Amino acid sequence: GNSVTQMEGPVTLSEEAFLTINCTYTATGYPSLFWYVQYPGEGLQLLLKATKADDKGSNKGFEATYRKETTSFHLEKGSVQVSDSAVYFCALSDRSRGSTLGRLYFGRGTQLTVWP
Amino acid sequence: DAGVIQSPRHEVTEMGQEVTLRCKPISGHDYLFWYRQTMMRGLELLIYFNNNVPIDDSGMPEDRFSAKMPNASFSNLKIQPSEPRDSAVYFCASTSRGTEAFFGQGTRLTVV
Repeated sequence: GNSVTQMEGPVTLSEEAFLTINCTYTATGYPSLFWYVQYPGEGLQLLLKATKADDKGSNKGFEATYRKETTSFHLEKGSVQVSDSAVYFCALSDRSRGSTLGRLYFGRGTQLTVWP
Repeated sequence: DAGVIQSPRHEVTEMGQEVTLRCKPISGHDYLFWYRQTMMRGLELLIYFNNNVPIDDSGMPEDRFSAKMPNASFSNLKIQPSEPRDSAVYFCASTSRGTEAFFGQGTRLTVV
């Protein structure tokens, strides 16, 4: 089946530190991969995505590379800011045929807190 | 497009009352999802629709929960009767096949 596993939080960092949030997946087809971010009191919003192996998604200084050989999509940022404090969700969308078409599978979310 | 619109943003109700949550998806999107988010269980998929037809409702916790999508521009989620353990943030999201999902701002439900 399809599933996403991401590292447990919370993650606490000082400003300008390097961030990595690990995400691995299991998929029966050829998934698209996503990172969503949820700021306090808001809904989830797309941070970045990759639709095929070796694609790199990037946005706002965040990057993630779709690694089919390791079934991973780790989120990284070289220098975090206080404003990056949020919950980050890894997700996959199964594009294969069948009843799961179009559905998103989410990880549990990782709370990131950045201190000044 | 204004994005996915949910109403109300906040709902406080007494145990045993009926609660109706509403969602307007983005025009042209053919998938609509209802999620529930709690501290204990994280983000749970309750039900999703494709072209207004329910595809998978296995996440609906009990018969007290029901969801309908009478047309492409509207869906509602009803809880009858409501219980304190239903307190959560309920999100609606819409997407077209293979593209990103767009989430509404959520409805924060408190059942007292």
